[in-house]
Amino acid sequence: DIQMTQSPSSLSASVGDTVTITCRASQASSIYLNWYQQKPGKAPKLLIYAASTLRSGVPSRFSGSGSETDFSLTISGLQSDDFATYYCQQTYSAPPTFGQGTKVEIK
Amino acid sequence: QGQLVQSEAEVKKPGASVKVSCKVSGYSFIGQYIHWVRQAPGQGLEWMGWINPSSGDTKYREKFQDRVAMTRDTSTNTVYMELRRLRSDDTAIYYCARDEGPTSCCNWFDPWGQGTLITVSS
Repeated sequence: DIQMTQSPSSLSASVGDTVTITCRASQASSIYLNWYQQKPGKAPKLLIYAASTLRSGVPSRFSGSGSETDFSLTISGLQSDDFATYYCQQTYSAPPTFGQGTKVEIK
Repeated sequence: QGQLVQSEAEVKKPGASVKVSCKVSGYSFIGQYIHWVRQAPGQGLEWMGWINPSSGDTKYREKFQDRVAMTRDTSTNTVYMELRRLRSDDTAIYYCARDEGPTSCCNWFDPWGQGTLITVSS
């Protein structure tokens, strides 16, 4: 299985900050790298797919980049609605696997 | 866009079975694979398997191979996930999610059902 390692596991930030979450794959995972946002008691919500494509309706302050084994999610100008847990996912190789999650908290 | 609506929460005893349903609406049921993902309390996301609603073909994560069965009913646009021989560590929220993207599988998961909490307790 491809192991996905996110860092940091948690971070504290203020509204307006720019934050970056990284995701490293144990093997090259092509561009089949996706990012999800999950709020407490809710299902995950797709933000970015294929490493850098913004899902329709997702604010443009979210962006994704990377290739091969190293990927990142950046939130430029953190809003109060963005405090949540973020997961990366690879679907390049079976089984699909998720990172352990990064919790973004209010400072 | 599509919507996936899951069955309600259940409490089960160890050793029992549970069957969770996921009713699809708003898009062609047979057009895209459905995945099942679970999340233990306070933990991350774990993929369990997928079903092709068109053919009924399935693929399961190895650790669930002998305990899980995913089926579908094309007359009601519903997929099911049955987990047998439940243990306390099966306590989790179980989600269904549509596989969306240019290939049959596996691309990205969107949308997701609202989740079904399964509690395993004696």
